Amino acid sequence: DIVLTQSPATLSVTPGDSVSLSCRASQSISNNLHWYQQKSHESPRLLIKYASQSISGIPSRFSGSGSGTDFTLSINSVETEDFGMYFCQQSNSWLTFGAGTKLELK
Amino acid sequence: DVQLQESGPDLVKPSQSLSLTCTVTGYSITSGYSWHWIRQFPGNKLEWMGYIHYSGSTNYNPSLKSRISITRDTSKNQFFLQLNSVTTEDTATYYCARGLGLRDLNYWGQGTSVTVSS
Repeated sequence: DIVLTQSPATLSVTPGDSVSLSCRASQSISNNLHWYQQKSHESPRLLIKYASQSISGIPSRFSGSGSGTDFTLSINSVETEDFGMYFCQQSNSWLTFGAGTKLELK
Repeated sequence: DVQLQESGPDLVKPSQSLSLTCTVTGYSITSGYSWHWIRQFPGNKLEWMGYIHYSGSTNYNPSLKSRISITRDTSKNQFFLQLNSVTTEDTATYYCARGLGLRDLNYWGQGTSVTVSS
């Protein structure tokens, strides 16, 4: 199985900060990497697909980059509604998810 | 708009079978896409379980292959999860979702919590 390692596990930020969340794959997955946001008591929501492709209805402050084994989700100027869990998911071999990064209020 | 809704028992006894239904509105499950089951364990770990393709073919997580079955009722626009021989380790929130084969998952249900306990 392809293992996805997300870091940091927790990120404490102030609204207005810009942040980067990391997802590292155990082997090359090209750009087959997708990002999800999950708020408390809600289901995951697709934010970015294929490493950097935007999703309709998702604010432009969310962007993704990377290929191969190293990927980054960037949030430009965090808003209070952005706090929650963020997961990466690979689709190069079956589907597996990272353990998540918790974005919390400092 | 596409909506998915899970339903089923919230408590299952060990060694029994877990059966869940996903009802889809706003899109026919025979028109396209693949229709997935994913679960989230306490502590937030997500596990993909399998899908049924709009053609009716299925694809399962190898770690579950001996215990899982995904079927559908096209007349009701529903698809189903059956997981056999459950243990307490199958306690989780179960989600159904829509995807494009083994790619991203662009619509999710709200999830249903299932506890396996005697």
